[in-house]
Amino acid sequence: GAGVSQSPSNKVTEKGKDVELRCDPISGHTALYWYRQSLGQGLEFLIYFQGNSAPDKSGLPSDRFSAERTGGSVSTLTIQRTQQEDSAVYLCASSSAVGGAGNTIYFGEGSWLTVV
Amino acid sequence: KQEVTQIPAALSVPEGENLVLNCSFTDSAIYNLQWFRQDPGKGLTSLLLIQSSQREQTSGRLNASLDKSSGRSTLYIAASQPGDSATYLCAPSGNTPLVFGKGTRLSVIA
Repeated sequence: GAGVSQSPSNKVTEKGKDVELRCDPISGHTALYWYRQSLGQGLEFLIYFQGNSAPDKSGLPSDRFSAERTGGSVSTLTIQRTQQEDSAVYLCASSSAVGGAGNTIYFGEGSWLTVV
Repeated sequence: KQEVTQIPAALSVPEGENLVLNCSFTDSAIYNLQWFRQDPGKGLTSLLLIQSSQREQTSGRLNASLDKSSGRSTLYIAASQPGDSATYLCAPSGNTPLVFGKGTRLSVIA
């Protein structure tokens, strides 16, 4: 697609429910990233994919968080048994590769999650 | 581990002023550095990407400089406008995903 697309744009869920957030990267981009931004805070790295593999999962805050990517394209971030502290905007980004001199990273508009 | 600091955290200026935003980073082994803009309630928009071999990159009223060896970058905004009001983030990139500073929140007053 023309840009990074994320869905849903907004999600309100009850504490304890599971949620899935979807990211559709720019066509042809092999690298995909998930970040989290809590209200008034900076961007927190969660996980990235190179193709379908995730070399670095160190940023996932707990084992309630998981992510997968299939077909080198769409990625899903799943949060199980949501807690109120999970409320944040979840941002997805993609680039043609990880690192490298000319690899501009493009962000989606984010999925705003509120856990009540 | 890369750490990024942005100064000032917030800045308020009258319309028309030229201004400089500062970014420092601890690991100079980078390929490039990107400056982003984030409007309230929105995602990030890439403004400039400056490669590690470059000293400067310009786009319109924006000019970014990079001193890789000292771990510093600046974003210069000329003739600021109210539409420039946003949070500006810098992110150096090495072999690992981008690490972001906390940003500078800019308000340009008409």
